[in-house]
Amino acid sequence: DQQVKQNSPSLSVQEGRISILNCDYTNSMFDYFLWYKKYPAEGPTFLISISSIKDKNEDGRFTVFLNKSAKHLSLHIVPSQPGDSAVYFCAASLPQHFGNEKLTFGTGTRLTIIP
Amino acid sequence: DSGVTQTPKHLITATGQRVTLRCSPRSGDLSVYWYQQSLDQGLQFLIQYYNGEERAKGNILERFSAQQFPDLHSELNLSSLELGDSALYFCASTRDGRGTEAFFGQGTRLTVV
Repeated sequence: DQQVKQNSPSLSVQEGRISILNCDYTNSMFDYFLWYKKYPAEGPTFLISISSIKDKNEDGRFTVFLNKSAKHLSLHIVPSQPGDSAVYFCAASLPQHFGNEKLTFGTGTRLTIIP
Repeated sequence: DSGVTQTPKHLITATGQRVTLRCSPRSGDLSVYWYQQSLDQGLQFLIQYYNGEERAKGNILERFSAQQFPDLHSELNLSSLELGDSALYFCASTRDGRGTEAFFGQGTRLTVV
């Protein structure tokens, strides 16, 4: 049962344009969402997060949008740069009182920025 | 550098064998998580330890076990290995046991032949 889904395995975007990566989830109890970036031969690195009490969080070129009613979040990268080429994972976690503190990950989207 | 160290980086072993993967968390982090990433899959949660005690369990096979030692490093033991166990195994750590914003190691690539 894939509770966090990234339906686009890959995405190619021209340098300087906007990259939009999408993520859907099925468990309405998730209250915290994160994006991780992964380069080959490295572990995932934290990029940006958003709490379910917000609908937008911005950090420099990266903005995450959360639509709770649609159980959908997206990551916008503007402007896209060649160094953004990586695999992006969406992840979600349950509230602390559930006693289950793991991150549930999507399958990832490979973003390629074309110079 | 995330501060999380995993050894070895690569491991090739035969079916039926047993291996141990090691993880040293970031300094001061009490919680360690193990994740498995198979080909074209997301990261699947295996198990979490917090300050030496098992905190949460995911889809971890009975052939797999883990522990966290008093110095907070953790080991993941994989036994009776099968071809399907070939994967990347990641360790992550957090300070307070909440899985958010976990810091990941570089991973151990296990190949079972």
